[in-house]
Formats: sequence, structure tokens, C-alpha cells
Amino acid sequence: NAGVTQTPKFRVLKTGQSMTLLCAQDMNHEYMYWYRQDPGMGLRLIHYSVGEGTTAKGEVPDGYNVSRLKKQNFLLGLESAAPSQTSVYFCASSKTENQPQHFGDGTRLSIL
Amino acid sequence: AQKITQTQPGMFVQEKEAVTLDCTYDTSDPSYGLFWYKQPSSGEMIFLIYQGSYDQQNATEGRYSLNFQKARKSANLVISASQLGDSAMYFCAMTPMNTGFQKLVFGTGTRLLVSP
Repeated sequence: NAGVTQTPKFRVLKTGQSMTLLCAQDMNHEYMYWYRQDPGMGLRLIHYSVGEGTTAKGEVPDGYNVSRLKKQNFLLGLESAAPSQTSVYFCASSKTENQPQHFGDGTRLSIL
Repeated sequence: AQKITQTQPGMFVQEKEAVTLDCTYDTSDPSYGLFWYKQPSSGEMIFLIYQGSYDQQNATEGRYSLNFQKARKSANLVISASQLGDSAMYFCAMTPMNTGFQKLVFGTGTRLLVSP
């Protein structure tokens, strides 16, 4: 039961470096999401996708880009990492826009 | 705009007792869904229970039940017979329904600690 798999689980970056977080789901879900979780702020939506080849901005999209070239994968990119992007990042997927979202285990990202 | 309020930053309960985690919401949408998620210390987010605004009965999933009071705009989570493994953060969330995609709005969470 893989569900939603995020890689890597931990990463430390220096300011200005770039990296890509990978999310893969094996449930044939149409919708995929990237969130960030910061202390005392709950989860905030960064970007989302309603299907292969589509992406859209969420609540806090600045500094991030995404791509959904394949239905099962949703990539989150940081072009030039900043300390303010230190956070725990969660990927999620759902069958439709109103179905429960299934989350990955998270990626803990630290920007020095 | 939707808003979720969880007023209890932390809750304590003894093992085998029941506990209620509060959640109030604000929305102008006539149709919406309410969700509860559990986040253990290991970090993953686990879906627990769902309630639709037009559902006639309160949702139940095993030891979890959702006390849905539409007029009060509350969707409290009740955990019966608490277990040590229930110690975790709990998040309430909601989204409008039948209006295309609307982001899931989360509360700030309640930390539950179950003691032996």
C-alpha cells in the first residue's frame, strides 16, 4: 500500500540553491496538492493540479513552481531557496475535488 | 471565504476515557464538507472522518464520531475509549462542495495527549 510517496524525506539547502521535491501516487487520483506546514499556522496550499498537464496557484505560491507531466507525479521546485521556505512540505492527492485527501509522510526542508 | 477555528491548543485525557475536540467553522456556502485529520509525532497526516453538510446523520468511523451541529456551525470530533496511540495533533478542515475546486481550509490544530 504505497499511497502517496514523497522524496526526499529530509533535506538541508543553502540559500540560493535549487531543488525539486517529488510526489508520486499510485491511486490513479486526478487531483494533487502541495502544502507547507509551519508552526501555529496549520497547512497552507502552495499549488495544486486538477489533472495531468494542469497546475494552479494556491494560497502561498510565490517562490515555488510545479509540474504535472504524468498523472501519478507532481513535482515541487524551489528555484532559489530562501530561509523563509524552511518548512515541512506535504503532498496530497484525491480522487475528486471534494473527496478526502491522502497525504504523503512529508519532507522536512531546512534552508540555511 | 471559509475559516476554521480550533480553540483548544492542547487537551489531556486519560486512557479509556472519551474526549471531544472542538471545531467551529465559518462559511457562506450552502454545501460543504468537513474533515478531520490526525498527525502523529511521526509527521504523517491521516484522514479520520468526513461529514457532508447535507448528511442527515452524524458521521462515525470506529471510535471516531463527528458531532455535527449545523446551526452552531460546529463539527466536533469525539474519540471514545482513548488509547495511548491517539496522542497526536488533530486538524479540522473544510471545503465548499459542488462549486468546482476550492482549497481545503485547515484549522491550527489541537494537540491531544493521552495518559495511562
